[in-house]
Amino acid sequence: EAGVVQSPRYKIIEKKQPVAFWCNPISGHNTLYWYRQNLGQGPELLIRYENEEAVDDSQLPKDRFSAERLKGVDSTLKIQPAELGDSAVYLCASSLLVSFADNEQFFGPGTRLTVL
Amino acid sequence: TQLLEQSPQFLSIQEGENLTVYCNSSSVFSSLQWYRQEPGEGPVLLVTVVTGGEVKKLKRLTFQFGDARKDSSLHITAAQPGDTGLYLCAGAEYGNKLVFGAGTILRVKS
Repeated sequence: EAGVVQSPRYKIIEKKQPVAFWCNPISGHNTLYWYRQNLGQGPELLIRYENEEAVDDSQLPKDRFSAERLKGVDSTLKIQPAELGDSAVYLCASSLLVSFADNEQFFGPGTRLTVL
Repeated sequence: TQLLEQSPQFLSIQEGENLTVYCNSSSVFSSLQWYRQEPGEGPVLLVTVVTGGEVKKLKRLTFQFGDARKDSSLHITAAQPGDTGLYLCAGAEYGNKLVFGAGTILRVKS
């Protein structure tokens, strides 16, 4: 079974440019997460989807970040315009939510973004 | 959002040594997970502990959840170079949100 697929794996852009990341979750997983991981830190949740609905976007900087999950499968995360501080690894994860106490999230390899 | 503190931040040991990594919070979590992350990859779940005082063993790895469900530890016996990686603890808040610690970088030298 294929894991979580993310593309691109690496992206280098200049500040003020737009950038988009794509995620294809594990087939059948209804919950999808986008995380940002800064160097030397653990992942921080940006947004969580249950099917098509964004149920937690409290940590998403809405002035420049946007996300969508059309048809409840693939998802894209966009930054426009990018700032130097956005340099990080953007991780996508998916899960089949069974219970809050037993929820394994499967992570993709991430997209490493460098903003110059 | 509750915070998780991990210690030590970095650990470099020789093959065959034992080690313990700690994960502490002032808040109670419904469950706690341990992940291992290698460079260029996403975290991979090692274990989930749910009950206070619970101990789980995974080959040479022993995980313990504190009685009050505020802290956890990961003990590795006879570490091997293949254990090298970033170890992350993550607490589950109600609403299915995971809060990650900053991680412990483990390097096992042969």
